[in-house]
Amino acid sequence: DSGVTQTPKHLITATGQRVTLRCSPRSGDLSVYWYQQSLDQGLQFLIQYYNGEERAKGNILERFSAQQFPDLHSELNLSSLELGDSALYFCASSGHRDRAGEKLFFGSGTQLSVL
Amino acid sequence: AQKITQTQPGMFVQEKEAVTLDCTYDTSDPSYGLFWYKQPSSGEMIFLIYQGSYDQQNATEGRYSLNFQKARKSANLVISASQLGDSAMYFCAMRVYTVASYDKVIFGPGTSLSVIP
Repeated sequence: DSGVTQTPKHLITATGQRVTLRCSPRSGDLSVYWYQQSLDQGLQFLIQYYNGEERAKGNILERFSAQQFPDLHSELNLSSLELGDSALYFCASSGHRDRAGEKLFFGSGTQLSVL
Repeated sequence: AQKITQTQPGMFVQEKEAVTLDCTYDTSDPSYGLFWYKQPSSGEMIFLIYQGSYDQQNATEGRYSLNFQKARKSANLVISASQLGDSAMYFCAMRVYTVASYDKVIFGPGTSLSVIP
């Protein structure tokens, strides 16, 4: 168990809908990262937060948004969903941001299926 | 811009043999960390090994070792004595910090390893 909790594990929805994915980082971790993994693809970096502030942005679509709350949990909001948004969405957390050695601890992911 | 390249989409290895998975990276930042993660068919991401950009010695973790060649910007993973349970996707990743407190962790496209009995 990595200590990172993602909910829900599975999500089935229709095109055009909006969903929210939730992530609770490991106790004490201030950084949260979101990744998208499409079928047979690598992990595409979406966005990173540190202690409530956005720190880095990757290939995140304008239809997607995220935030990190004061209790450090994070939510990824996906709107106007398209078939191509079907993917496994990972959340990861890490500790001190000034230590490059801090590995990422991954949640088990949310499998999103857009029908 | 930072980039990770894994040129082997798929690899096969005989059980009990050693295998090397290639990874090259690109960054202009002097401080970075390199990681390898394993993703079995169940989907979870499992940390294997870490190498810091200033580390003088190659990292080792049990059957895993990282062949770090800084000048060539390569960080190959070596798995010794392969086991059937090593069959999985393997991702190379890089974490870069900059003076602007920019923190990004990017992953390569992965290599699918199949261990043959």
